[in-house]
Amino acid sequence: DSGVTQTPKHLITATGQRVTLRCSPRSGDLSVYWYQQSLDQGLQFLIQYYNGEERAKGNILERFSAQQFPDLHSELNLSSLELGDSALYFCASTGGSWTDTQYFGPGTRLTVL
Amino acid sequence: GNSVTQMEGPVTLSEEAFLTINCTYTATGYPSLFWYVQYPGEGLQLLLKATKADDKGSNKGFEATYRKETTSFHLEKGSVQVSDSAVYFCALSEGTGNQFYFGTGTSLTVIP
Repeated sequence: DSGVTQTPKHLITATGQRVTLRCSPRSGDLSVYWYQQSLDQGLQFLIQYYNGEERAKGNILERFSAQQFPDLHSELNLSSLELGDSALYFCASTGGSWTDTQYFGPGTRLTVL
Repeated sequence: GNSVTQMEGPVTLSEEAFLTINCTYTATGYPSLFWYVQYPGEGLQLLLKATKADDKGSNKGFEATYRKETTSFHLEKGSVQVSDSAVYFCALSEGTGNQFYFGTGTSLTVIP
C-alpha cells in the first residue's frame, strides 16, 4: 500500500459526459501528479500541483482540468468525454524534493462507451 | 530538455536468465534516477533509485548504477523469476519543481 488513495476504482460512462476523479496524497506529501495510461500511449504526464498551486503541465487536453484543495487532495475533471479518453488514470504524490520517490495510487479505470 | 529513453520491448526470457533493460537519459542538471515496476492490474511502484552519480540502487535482486559519463541507468538482474513478469519504467526527477520524466516502459515476460 503506497498511502495514495484514488476513487473511484472503476468508472463507466458515456460519450459527452463529465466525470471527476479524486486523489488523496500520502500523509505529509505536498505535490500531486496526474497521469493517463492507455495501451497505445504509455504513461502520459498530465499535470502537477504543489501545495495548491499548479507547478507543471504536460499533455493535458483543454477538456480536462484539475485542482488541489487546501487539505491537499486533488481532483481531475474530465468533460465532453470521448471514446479515446478510456484509460487508466493514476495519481502520484511526493514531498516535493527532487530526490523524493513518487508514490502511485492504484488508479481509476475509466471506460467511455 | 529532460527525457528518458528505454529499451523497446517486449522482452521474453526463460527463468534464471540474465536481464538487462537499457535506460539512457538527457537532463539539464543533476537528476535523481528511478526504476518503477508495474505488475498486471496494479499501479507503478518504486523498484530502486539513485540520487547521485556512481550510486547503485538495488532491491529484490535488481540493480542499477547511475552513470553520469554515459548518462545511463541500466537495470540488471542475474536470475529472473516468473514473478518478475511486469512492465518496467525508467524515470528521472530534476529541479526544484520535482517534475518526473518517464520512459515508455519495457514489458518483461519470464517463462518457466
